[in-house]
Amino acid sequence: DTEVTQTPKHLVMGMTNKKSLKCEQHMGHRAMYWYKQKAKKPPELMFVYSYEKLSINESVPSRFSPECPNSSLLNLHLHALQPEDSALYLCASSPPPGLAGGPYNEQFFGPGTRLTVL
Amino acid sequence: DAKTTQPPSMDCAEGRAANLPCNHSTISGNEYVYWYRQIHSQGPQYIIHGLKNNETNEMASLIITEDRKSSTLILPHATLRDTAVYYCIVRFGVSSGSARQLTFGSGTQLTVLP
Repeated sequence: DTEVTQTPKHLVMGMTNKKSLKCEQHMGHRAMYWYKQKAKKPPELMFVYSYEKLSINESVPSRFSPECPNSSLLNLHLHALQPEDSALYLCASSPPPGLAGGPYNEQFFGPGTRLTVL
Repeated sequence: DAKTTQPPSMDCAEGRAANLPCNHSTISGNEYVYWYRQIHSQGPQYIIHGLKNNETNEMASLIITEDRKSSTLILPHATLRDTAVYYCIVRFGVSSGSARQLTFGSGTQLTVLP
């Protein structure tokens, strides 16, 4: 299994809803990432998990709550979102580095979840 | 991580080589050059990376200038399926036990024309 899967593919939610995005990989990767991508813009990092611990939070509002229950699974819990949060949410994973300082950290991206907040 | 500069768009005829330039004049000695691409409405896809030497894989070639201030990604025989946004990213390598994010610039929209 050499892919990152994301569910659902599309999600429409109201501003008072609670929903979750799911990301899964079975490649033995120990780093997982959430990126947000607005239309016609590059992806922007939201969170990084390394060995199931949150290592980077790019000042993301608390209405986005990440969770990494195990090394294969990454969730993003959504609550009280705003219409401007509508975007493509991308999950990625990367293998443990090989040689120290080496570039063995290419990231494998999932297809994304297209989120629309009404 | 060093910043990169890429042209916003390029066209290429199908079957011809596509040469995508990237400037990274502030790159430091320990920073690698990575290329990713993103086909419309899909997740980004890793293409190739390099430090100093030119690199080639089944997808592309990466040519890095001797002073490392710029590089060129070459798709030798572009097809319509190569139409995508191509991102050049400069980043330090990863030390043991850590993860490093990718910082995407604006990229180059490559359109392969029939």
